[in-house]
Amino acid sequence: GAVVSQHPSRVICKSGTSVKIECRSLDFQATTMFWYRQFPKQSLMLMATSNEGSKATYEQGVEKDKFLINHASLTLSTLTVTSAHPEDSSFYICSAPTSGVKETQYFGPGTRLLVL
Amino acid sequence: AQSVTQPDIHITVSEGASLELRCNYSYGATPYLFWYVQSPGQGLQLLLKYFSGDTLVQGIKGFEAEFKRSQSSFNLRKPSVHWSDAAEYFCAVGSNDYKLSFGAGTTVTVRA
Repeated sequence: GAVVSQHPSRVICKSGTSVKIECRSLDFQATTMFWYRQFPKQSLMLMATSNEGSKATYEQGVEKDKFLINHASLTLSTLTVTSAHPEDSSFYICSAPTSGVKETQYFGPGTRLLVL
Repeated sequence: AQSVTQPDIHITVSEGASLELRCNYSYGATPYLFWYVQSPGQGLQLLLKYFSGDTLVQGIKGFEAEFKRSQSSFNLRKPSVHWSDAAEYFCAVGSNDYKLSFGAGTTVTVRA
């Protein structure tokens, strides 16, 4: 099946620094990708929709200047957590649908971010 | 707005016993429904999905789910669990814009 990768798998950074997380669709093109955030023992919360060739759309309550999303190509979306703070520590997961809503969405393995 | 409720936070089941995980959804139109499994440190894996047609859906790893419109439910079942089924299970509802809303998840523990 289709594969979505994320890099890095885990990252530790100091408070105030920025962290970039990459999401790649390895064997299919994705004009749309999604970024989720998952706190320990909690569900996935959709943060934003990454659109190739246009601006990302953010869910209510998600700061677009805090979480910068760039969909550079049909196989790559990046999420940059700017000026990270300890409360940004979380598990970030991306997903991409292969084609059409009735197709499967494939999820990346996630990136564990720890901000000290 | 779409939403999903998984009433059971944690379920413990003996190996070889049957398993049923509950899922209730709220959605204005015909829902697209999914069950995903997440093992520790792993990404989400799709177990099965329902879009239309037969309300009993077969998935991977011996799982099945039944869509009941009258009850707004999409419960997941497995006749005989294996120790490897210990994981976190998420029910999700999707819409035409591809977005998924997830339930809070149910942790399944399998005892020998």
